[in-house]
Amino acid sequence: DQQVKQNSPSLSVQEGRISILNCDYTNSMFDYFLWYKKYPAEGPTFLISISSIKDKNEDGRFTVFLNKSAKHLSLHIVPSQPGDSAVYFCAASEGYGGSQGNLIFGKGTKLSVKP
Amino acid sequence: ETGVTQSPTHLIKTRGQQVTLRCSSQSGHNTVSWYQQALGQGPQFIFQYYREEENGRGNFPPRFSGLQFPNYSSELNVNALELDDSALYLCASSGRLGVRKETQYFGPGTRLLVL
Repeated sequence: DQQVKQNSPSLSVQEGRISILNCDYTNSMFDYFLWYKKYPAEGPTFLISISSIKDKNEDGRFTVFLNKSAKHLSLHIVPSQPGDSAVYFCAASEGYGGSQGNLIFGKGTKLSVKP
Repeated sequence: ETGVTQSPTHLIKTRGQQVTLRCSSQSGHNTVSWYQQALGQGPQFIFQYYREEENGRGNFPPRFSGLQFPNYSSELNVNALELDDSALYLCASSGRLGVRKETQYFGPGTRLLVL
């Protein structure tokens, strides 16, 4: 049973517009969430994270929103650039009190930003 | 600052053989985690090492084993290889002082093909 779900396998966006990537989770013990970006033939690159005590975290063009009651988080990229084209993974962790900080990943969403 | 490095980049083995994959953690990190990423899936947690001790394990059989050395580098060993072990193996390091340890930084991975 998947604890972290990314229901959209792919997303296509025009350059300069907003990209919104979504992620749902089922485990209410998750208290830390991360987004990673992955290019082909490379390892995942850490983008941004959010703790469950917050509902928003912003870093430049990237903003992550967390809705705990809906068990939903989203990553907003504004403005989108062609270099953002990659597979984006959502990950979650139960933190210190749970599974020693191992990350549970979704299956990823492939973002294509068209010039 | 040196990032996470992994060797080899690619490997071909046959069923029943044994394999050792290597990882050097990022400077200042004391924790190493290993993940398996099958095609079209997100990374799956294998195990984590902290100060040379196993510090958590995912749902993988005992033929997956590991080591962490005093310099925080690590090895993943897989015995009795099966066809389903074909995947990208990712190493991630974490644990820099002041940074939450769930924030893991990944290497480029080792692609293993079992024939």
